[in-house]
Amino acid sequence: DTAVSQTPKYLVTQMGNDKSIKCEQNLGHDTMYWYKQDSKKFLKIMFSYNNKELIINETVPNRFSPKSPDKAHLNLHINSLELGDSAVYFCASSGTGHYSGNTIYFGEGSWLTVV
Amino acid sequence: EDKVVQSPLSLVVHEGDTVTLNCSYEVTNFRSLLWYKQEKKAPTFLFMLTSSGIEKKSGRLSSILDKKELFSILNITATQTGDSAIYLCARGTGNQFYFGTGTSLTVIP
Repeated sequence: DTAVSQTPKYLVTQMGNDKSIKCEQNLGHDTMYWYKQDSKKFLKIMFSYNNKELIINETVPNRFSPKSPDKAHLNLHINSLELGDSAVYFCASSGTGHYSGNTIYFGEGSWLTVV
Repeated sequence: EDKVVQSPLSLVVHEGDTVTLNCSYEVTNFRSLLWYKQEKKAPTFLFMLTSSGIEKKSGRLSSILDKKELFSILNITATQTGDSAIYLCARGTGNQFYFGTGTSLTVIP
């Protein structure tokens, strides 16, 4: 069973398009995240979200928006894509549930290339 | 966000060598210090450290946290080519996890 799954795995799109990446976790966690990993492999947090609170990294452009239909899903919408948005986007989750403790679990990543 | 700094940024060793990777952070009020290994895909969990001075071991890997000096180390003994990866540490505070810059380890035969 995949604990944190995200789709699509690979996405190539043109500048200016709007795209979404979906994420689901079956760990029963309360908090989900989106991270961006750039070409230098630095993992930077974009958002964290639980039922009560959305925390946005202030450096994230407002073209990026998280959408959470329920606590097992956190989708990432990106409007007006730019070349600099090309990166690997990781969904993650943490909290109590099937896996207790303050540990974060990652999805497989979505490779976004903007051309 | 507070910095999590890892050193060295990259490291090339021969099989059988022992390596020590460093992770330092700036805040004192955190819940956990985590180590991850990242090969070609998602980071995979190695260790979670919450208490100072208590070593955690898993095979050839071990890690320890020093809360007073605000750092952690990850040791890998008798390195193998399969240890080649990026090693990430992260500071966990509440529902926030901040990652370091990573150390890229290459083990050559």
